[in-house]
Amino acid sequence: GNSVTQMEGPVTLSEEAFLTINCTYTATGYPSLFWYVQYPGEGLQLLLKATKADDKGSNKGFEATYRKETTSFHLEKGSVQVSDSAVYFCALRSDTGRRALTFGSGTRLQVQP
Amino acid sequence: NAGVTQTPKFQVLKTGQSMTLQCAQDMNHNSMYWYRQDPGMGLRLIYYSASEGTTDKGEVPNGYNVSRLNKREFSLRLESAAPSQTSVYFCASRQSNQPQHFGDGTRLSIL
Repeated sequence: GNSVTQMEGPVTLSEEAFLTINCTYTATGYPSLFWYVQYPGEGLQLLLKATKADDKGSNKGFEATYRKETTSFHLEKGSVQVSDSAVYFCALRSDTGRRALTFGSGTRLQVQP
Repeated sequence: NAGVTQTPKFQVLKTGQSMTLQCAQDMNHNSMYWYRQDPGMGLRLIYYSASEGTTDKGEVPNGYNVSRLNKREFSLRLESAAPSQTSVYFCASRQSNQPQHFGDGTRLSIL
């Protein structure tokens, strides 16, 4: 079956530091890949997505590239802010069947001023 | 801009009690989903509905039932709550190949 593995947190960074959160996946076919962000007490919000190999998703300074050869979709940001503190979830959606999302376990990011 | 609305936001139950979690979306989406979120485990699919009148089991359906009342509403029912069902429950909806939109969640504690 499908699965998503992401690095455990928490990740603690100083403001303006470079961020990488690793995500690798196992899936058959050609899944779409997503990063969702969850702020405290809120639901999940789509951060970015990529639907095919070599696509780069980007939003609010975050980027991730769909690498089929390494089955990865690592999240990066060049300069984090305190307001980026949240839990980040990597997810995939199969291109067949129920089209539900398979999530990683989430990575908590804490940015200190 | 309501999107996906879940009620209630918080609930405390005693073991054996029943309750229904409500979810409604105003985006005319065909597909709707129920997930549970537990610490360190991400979100896991409980049930989903590909369209009005259809429902199907997800990864962790035991102890739950669902009803797709109409295109807007998709409810999740716990007939006899157990402490293992203490969790945060999220409803989501989707149209075609677009990403899922999530509600703000229902925090459920079962004593």
